[in-house]
Amino acid sequence: QQPVQSPQAVILREGEDAVINCSSSKALYSVHWYRQKHGEAPIFLMILLKGGEQKGHDKISASFNEKKQQSSLYLTASQLSYSGTYFCGTEMNAGNNRKLIWGLGTSLAVNP
Amino acid sequence: KAGVTQTPRYLIKTRGQQVTLSCSPISGHRSVSWYQQTPGQGLQFLFEYFSETQRNKGNFPGRFSGRQFSNSRSEMNVSTLELGDSALYLCASSLGLVGAQYFGPGTRLLVL
Repeated sequence: QQPVQSPQAVILREGEDAVINCSSSKALYSVHWYRQKHGEAPIFLMILLKGGEQKGHDKISASFNEKKQQSSLYLTASQLSYSGTYFCGTEMNAGNNRKLIWGLGTSLAVNP
Repeated sequence: KAGVTQTPRYLIKTRGQQVTLSCSPISGHRSVSWYQQTPGQGLQFLFEYFSETQRNKGNFPGRFSGRQFSNSRSEMNVSTLELGDSALYLCASSLGLVGAQYFGPGTRLLVL
């Protein structure tokens, strides 16, 4: 049931783009994206609900492909501050019964 | 608004002992979730409390328990500690049972 994130790690130069994928074998209701810097708490990025929506803020956006049960996180023109580990958390059911199952994370390093 | 606070930040215990961790949510947030984070297993959901009631529980043994007080503060207790309980324990608060979660800095527990 644990979603699979790919790639496991990626190294970028400042200004380059990256895509992080989160795939599930089960039908999903929503996908949550968080970023965690070393030694810090995970920070909320965005939530996508089934229906194939796409969201974004600043140069980070995400999409949710319901047919593939996959969400992709897009980091455009990466900045040094984007470095960290990105986690996706998945929910299979709607309603007031949140039970997020998390991927193992994708480590992103942005170098000058 | 002050963020989520967790105490203590670091703990060293020996096998067989018990430990209590504390989490104070963001003011106004009524939901508190607890997670265990380890390098090998990633983020794993322990339980979620809302209005002093446990609303959901992950797949952890009964040695892991929690409670929530009327002011939404939450405690997590682990009895009969095992070496494998060494981990970063994160709590996250949210307004309700859906939506974004805001994580605290975590309590790093080392069991010797």
